[in-house]
Amino acid sequence: DIQMTQFPSSLSASVGDRVTITCRASPSITNYLNWYQEKPGKAPKLLIFAASNLQSGVPLRFSGSGSGTDFTLSIISLQPEDFATYYCQQSYSSPWTFGQGTKVEIK
Amino acid sequence: QVQLVESGGGLVKPGGSLRLSCAASGFNFSDHYMSWIRQAPGKGLEWVSHISNSGSSTSYADSVKGRFTISRDNAKKSLFLQMNSLRAEDTAVYYCARLKPYYDFLTGSWIDAFDYWGQGNLVTVSS
Repeated sequence: DIQMTQFPSSLSASVGDRVTITCRASPSITNYLNWYQEKPGKAPKLLIFAASNLQSGVPLRFSGSGSGTDFTLSIISLQPEDFATYYCQQSYSSPWTFGQGTKVEIK
Repeated sequence: QVQLVESGGGLVKPGGSLRLSCAASGFNFSDHYMSWIRQAPGKGLEWVSHISNSGSSTSYADSVKGRFTISRDNAKKSLFLQMNSLRAEDTAVYYCARLKPYYDFLTGSWIDAFDYWGQGNLVTVSS
């Protein structure tokens, strides 16, 4: 199975900060990488597909980059509604696997 | 708009069975692969199973293979997960999710992603 490692597992940030979350795949998954946002009691939401493509309706402050084994999700100017848990997920090969999540908390 | 609503969860004893359902609306259900994904308490997301749009092809995580069966009724726009021989480690919130292929113009490849999820349904396996 492809291993997905996310870091940090949690971070504290303030409204207006820039936040970067890293996801590492082993082995390489080219660009078969998606990012999701999860809030308590709500359905997870697709943010980014194919490493760098913004899902329709997702604010432009979200962006994704990377290929091969190393990927990042960035949020510029963090907003109150962005405090949530973020997961990366590979769809390169079955079984599809997720990172363990990064919880973004209010400082 | 797209809606996925899970039902059928609850408390069951180890070794017992449960059948989850997912009612879909707002899109052409028979056009899409569908998946089940779960989240154990305090843990991350784990893909469980998926089924092709016609229902002819299925796939399972090793952790549930031989115990869980995914199926669908396209006429009723419904997805199901029959869970047998349940274990304590199957305790989780179970989500149904729609799978969509996205075309990446940069690489010329099609990449699957879970574009819509239900709110989830809790399954607790405990004596």
